[in-house]
Parts: sequence; structure tokens; C-alpha cells
Amino acid sequence: EVQLVESGGDLVQPGGSLRLSCAASGFSFSIYWMSWVRQAPGKGLEWVTNIKQDGSQKYYVDSVKGRFTISRDNAKNSLYLQMNSLGVGDTAVYYCARGGRHFDSWGQGTLVTVSS
Amino acid sequence: QSVLTQPPSVSGAPGQRVTISCTGSSSNIGAGSDVHWYQQLPGTAPKLLIYINNNRPSGVPDRFSGSKSGTSGSLAITGLQAEDEAVYYCQSYDISLSGSVFGGGTNLTVL
Repeated sequence: EVQLVESGGDLVQPGGSLRLSCAASGFSFSIYWMSWVRQAPGKGLEWVTNIKQDGSQKYYVDSVKGRFTISRDNAKNSLYLQMNSLGVGDTAVYYCARGGRHFDSWGQGTLVTVSS
Repeated sequence: QSVLTQPPSVSGAPGQRVTISCTGSSSNIGAGSDVHWYQQLPGTAPKLLIYINNNRPSGVPDRFSGSKSGTSGSLAITGLQAEDEAVYYCQSYDISLSGSVFGGGTNLTVL
């Protein structure tokens, strides 16, 4: 059974940093593109970033370019999202999702709250 | 303002058929990008419902179907059931943005 478990969400002050993790199991992690998708409270879904199987290609939504960095460790079956210079607009549930062009499995999400 | 446009809400009685539209542009659906659909039940993570325009993952009932034409996609649900009450999102790939884009979501109410 495919499982994606996010962690690392927290309350952080504006301008702060946070690192999210996603532990994958039940499938061959290294052969899939992986993505992060977020959902602000009461709002819709927003794709944030994705990463190729070997980490050689990464893409970001304009609003996070230069602030967020996606990475992966195939030996640990793990996906990461380093978030810097956080603003209140980054407050959301962050989902780890399998896939690059569509997302066939999702984690339960981890809540990031940016507030003073 | 979402790149893909969906109606905010639709409704139907049990047993009826409803459709949800997803309108894009020449930089996404119209450029040949596929349309995918997700169902999000209250308080849960999204679930893939239809992928690559008209394909159902294992376990998704055949009451759900998708189509694509021109710059739009569509999700049809037949034989509506109370358990279908959820928010439905369409998603595609935008070549100008070099990334995925979602519709704003459609809240389905079963009357």
C-alpha cells in the first residue's frame, strides 16, 4: 500500500524558516516524480513544486521561487521542502504527492502557520 | 483567480447526473495538456478521480467519467449518491508557467 507521511509543520513567525519532510513507503520511490501541493485554510489547491526522479530537474510556482527548495533522498525514500522567508500567504496545509504531471497518491498533509 | 475555471457549486438529487466544467486556455488544456480530476471529502486529502482526461484509477466507480475538448475538460457523475458530496478540482499542466495548475474547485451538493 502506498503511504506518504508528512511532518515538520509548525507555527512560525513571518520571515522564519521551516523544513517539511515526507516519508514514502509501499512503492519504488526512486522511479517517481514527486510534488508538494498546498491548500490555504478554506481555499483551493495550489501546486508548489516538483522534482524529477534523480533530483536533476525541479520546478516551482512563481510565488515561492527563490524562497523554497525541494529535495529528495532516494536512499531514505524521503522528500523534503525547505521553506525560507515565510510570509502569512504561505499559511496552508502542505501535501506531499506522488507524480509530476498528475498526483495519484497524497499524504494526509502537515499544517504550516505563519503568524506573529 | 485560478488559471482553470470551474463553477463554484453544482447540485443534484440522488440518482441524477451532474457535470462539472473546467475551462482553460491555449497555454494549458488547449495546448494539449491532459486534464485530471480530484475529489476532496471534508477534512481529508484530495483523491485522484480521473487521470489523463478519461481514465479511472482502480477502485473509482464507473459512475465517474471525464472528457476533454478544445480548451475545456468535463467531469460527469451519474447515479448521484449522498457520499459524492465533496469538492471536485480539475488540474492540468501549463506550458507558460512550467507547472501544474488547478481549478478553484466545485462544491457538489446532493439534495
